[in-house]
Amino acid sequence: AIQMTQSPSSLSASVGDRVTITCRASQGIRNDLGWYQQKPGKAPKLLIYAASYLHSGVPSRFSGSGSGTDFTLTISSLQPEDFGTYYCLQDYNYPRTFGQGTKVEIK
Amino acid sequence: EVQLVESGGGLVPPGGSLRLSCAAPGFTLSNFWMIWIRQAPGKGLQWVANIKQDGSEKYYVDSVKGRFTISRDNAKNSMYLQMNSLRAEDTAVYYCARDRDFYENKISYDAFDMWGQGTRVTVSS
Repeated sequence: AIQMTQSPSSLSASVGDRVTITCRASQGIRNDLGWYQQKPGKAPKLLIYAASYLHSGVPSRFSGSGSGTDFTLTISSLQPEDFGTYYCLQDYNYPRTFGQGTKVEIK
Repeated sequence: EVQLVESGGGLVPPGGSLRLSCAAPGFTLSNFWMIWIRQAPGKGLQWVANIKQDGSEKYYVDSVKGRFTISRDNAKNSMYLQMNSLRAEDTAVYYCARDRDFYENKISYDAFDMWGQGTRVTVSS
């Protein structure tokens, strides 16, 4: 199975900060990667698909980039409602695998 | 509002069985691949299984192969997860999700664009 490694595992940032989360695949996955946000006690929500395409309704401060093995999720200006845990997911092959998550806290 | 609704979770002893259901009251489930994903307490997300629109293809994570069976009844607009020989490590919140195709530059990509609220499964004596 493809291993997805996210970094950092957690971060604390201030409102307005630029935040970057990285996800590395153990083998090339083209751009078959999505990013999901999960808030405590809630189901995850899709943010980005195909590594860089913003899902409908997701604020434009979120962006994704990367291809092959290295991917990035960027929040250009962190907002109070952006707290939660962010996961990458590869849909290149089976079994689908998630990164371990990055917990984002607001200072 | 378009949504997914899971049911069937509960407390079951090790070795027991449980059947989870996922209903799609707001859209035609037969148009989509569907997925089960779980989250153990305090842990991350784990993809469990998925099933093609007509049920002809199914895939499982290794840890549940031979114990879990994913199925669907498009006439009832529902999907299921039959879980047998349950273990303590199967304890988790189980989510069903919809796998939607997105088209960019004539290329199809898929992503999980809709999730249920989750149903809790606890395996304990």
